[in-house]
Amino acid sequence: GAGVSQSPRYKVAKRGQDVALRCDPISGHVSLFWYQQALGQGPEFLTYFQNEAQLDKSGLPSDRFFAERPEGSVSTLKIQRTQQEDSAVYLCASSPGGFGMNEQYFGPGTRLTVT
Amino acid sequence: GDSVTQMEGPVTLSEEAFLTINCTYTATGYPSLFWYVQYPGEGLQLLLKATKADDKGSNKGFEATYRKETTSFHLEKGSVQVSDSAVYFCALTVHDYKLSFGAGTTVTVRA
Repeated sequence: GAGVSQSPRYKVAKRGQDVALRCDPISGHVSLFWYQQALGQGPEFLTYFQNEAQLDKSGLPSDRFFAERPEGSVSTLKIQRTQQEDSAVYLCASSPGGFGMNEQYFGPGTRLTVT
Repeated sequence: GDSVTQMEGPVTLSEEAFLTINCTYTATGYPSLFWYVQYPGEGLQLLLKATKADDKGSNKGFEATYRKETTSFHLEKGSVQVSDSAVYFCALTVHDYKLSFGAGTTVTVRA
């Protein structure tokens, strides 16, 4: 069956440009997560949605980062005025339930390079 | 804060060798513990998990035991194969949704 998909897979942006990264979770999954993975590091939590509600955005590194999931399915992570330190792989994950340790299913990630 | 420290790599082994990847954690509550694996060109996949002290998670010949007294969750496999070459991440959650990952350990198994 279809897993979590992300687009684009690769994005090159010039410093100062805005970018939008898309996540299509597994159909019917209630929870959606965004993580940021710097080169050679483990993923770092950015934000969490339960349906359309953003319940935790404590990991967003600055107010240049914004995420939405308006209809409780597809989500977009937007980064305004990109900086070189934003270069990373952005991972999306979804899980079937709400709180509680449902397995998180990860997408392949979007590799963002800011030049 | 909650954090995970795992053995630095890279680790290179011969086929059929024994693999251990050390993982220790710091957490404010009672975490659930996980090992995730990332095969070349693929996304992160859950390998195994344990939700309380003394639980043993196992999958695909890999095992890890939740040791509260040593705050550890070491990953082991008795006989590795070339197909086990991947990056392995130890992770925890205290809040039942937000995962905290270690830095990852790259394992290469040679035929």
